[in-house]
Amino acid sequence: ELKVEQNPLFLSMQEGKNYTIYCNYSTTSDRLYWYRQDPGKSLESLFVLLSNGAVKQEGRLMASLDTKARLSTLHITAAVHDLSATYFCALPSREAQKLVFGQGTRLTINP
Amino acid sequence: NAGVTQTPKFRVLKTGQSMTLLCAQDMNHEYMYWYRQDPGMGLRLIHYSVGEGTTAKGEVPDGYNVSRLKKQNFLLGLESAAPSQTSVYFCASSPRQGWYEQYFGPGTRLTVT
Repeated sequence: ELKVEQNPLFLSMQEGKNYTIYCNYSTTSDRLYWYRQDPGKSLESLFVLLSNGAVKQEGRLMASLDTKARLSTLHITAAVHDLSATYFCALPSREAQKLVFGQGTRLTINP
Repeated sequence: NAGVTQTPKFRVLKTGQSMTLLCAQDMNHEYMYWYRQDPGMGLRLIHYSVGEGTTAKGEVPDGYNVSRLKKQNFLLGLESAAPSQTSVYFCASSPRQGWYEQYFGPGTRLTVT
């Protein structure tokens, strides 16, 4: 059974700093998804990583996938307040057409 | 395209009452999903559907029923609401087999008193 673990679960950081959110998973997968959720809002797709070594960047966010290590990272560069949100990683289940989500990382960026 | 829409956005129920949440998508997607989101619990899959007329149980199906009579609609029913079903409910859809990325609706905030 696929298990997806994110860490940290809570992250408070200052504007201008760099940090990384980690997503570990328990069974082999060749693809991974990152979502963003603003407070009181729905989930919005951020990145789709489809192969080992895949790297995607948008603005101050960069996501990568290492399928051998069963690890994805979401790196935040020079954080700004607008990036405050909860970030989820998710992977496809082998048993059915569905995603298994991590617990989410609540990121708060303070001025 | 409106994408994925959910009705209603908010609802307050008394224990024992019933209600139906409606999810509609206009993207001709085959797969549809119902999740609940509770503080500290992330997203948990309640039921899902791989096509019109089909449904399957997810991680937390007890106390809920679903129906997918039309491809564009996925209904989630609570026959006898309980306080433990207080949550935010999200519907999602994905286009076809092998395409796992899901597109989410805006959510329904349900409170059961």
